[in-house]
Amino acid sequence: ELKVEQNPLFLSMQEEKNYTIYCNYSTTSDRLYWYRQDPGKSLESLFVLLSNGAVKQEGRLMASLDTKARLSTLHITAAVHDLSATYFCAGTPMDSNYQLIWGAGTKLIIKP
Amino acid sequence: ETGVTQSPTHLIKTRGQQVTLRCSSQSGHNTVSWYQQALGQGPQFIFQYYREEENGRGNFPPRFSGLQFPNYSSELNVNALELDDSALYLCASSLYAGIVGNEQFFGPGTRLTVL
Repeated sequence: ELKVEQNPLFLSMQEEKNYTIYCNYSTTSDRLYWYRQDPGKSLESLFVLLSNGAVKQEGRLMASLDTKARLSTLHITAAVHDLSATYFCAGTPMDSNYQLIWGAGTKLIIKP
Repeated sequence: ETGVTQSPTHLIKTRGQQVTLRCSSQSGHNTVSWYQQALGQGPQFIFQYYREEENGRGNFPPRFSGLQFPNYSSELNVNALELDDSALYLCASSLYAGIVGNEQFFGPGTRLTVL
């Protein structure tokens, strides 16, 4: 059974600093997703990571996947206030790839 | 291109009642998935519909049921509501690609409160 764990669950940081959110998963996953959720809002797709060594970047966010370590990271470079949100990673079980299994989310607060 | 839409936005029900939530999938998508997100938690998969058939189900009791229509829109029905059913219900649409799961695009959600 696929389990997805994120850490930290809460992160408060200053603008212009760099930080990384970690996503560990327990068994082989078909692919790994990162989503963003603003308070009271729905989920916005950020990245889809398909294979070992995959790296994707969009603005100040960069996501990577290491399937051997069963680890994905979301790196934030020179954070700005607009990036404050909750970030979720999710995996797709190999035996039931119709569903997403989600981490608990990382609440990120970026202070000016 | 029209995104995923859901109705209603908010709903208040009392314990024991029944509720129907609606979802219209993104243009061109033929698969709809439903998730329950309790406050402060990650979403939990309820079920998925593809070509009007249930394609997979999570650990939810039978009082959670669904439908998909020929235009790929979908309904989530919950009978005998319980207090713990209070949550944000999210619908996601995708283009099914056989054995490989595809990126899911989410609607704005329906906030259900059970009193």
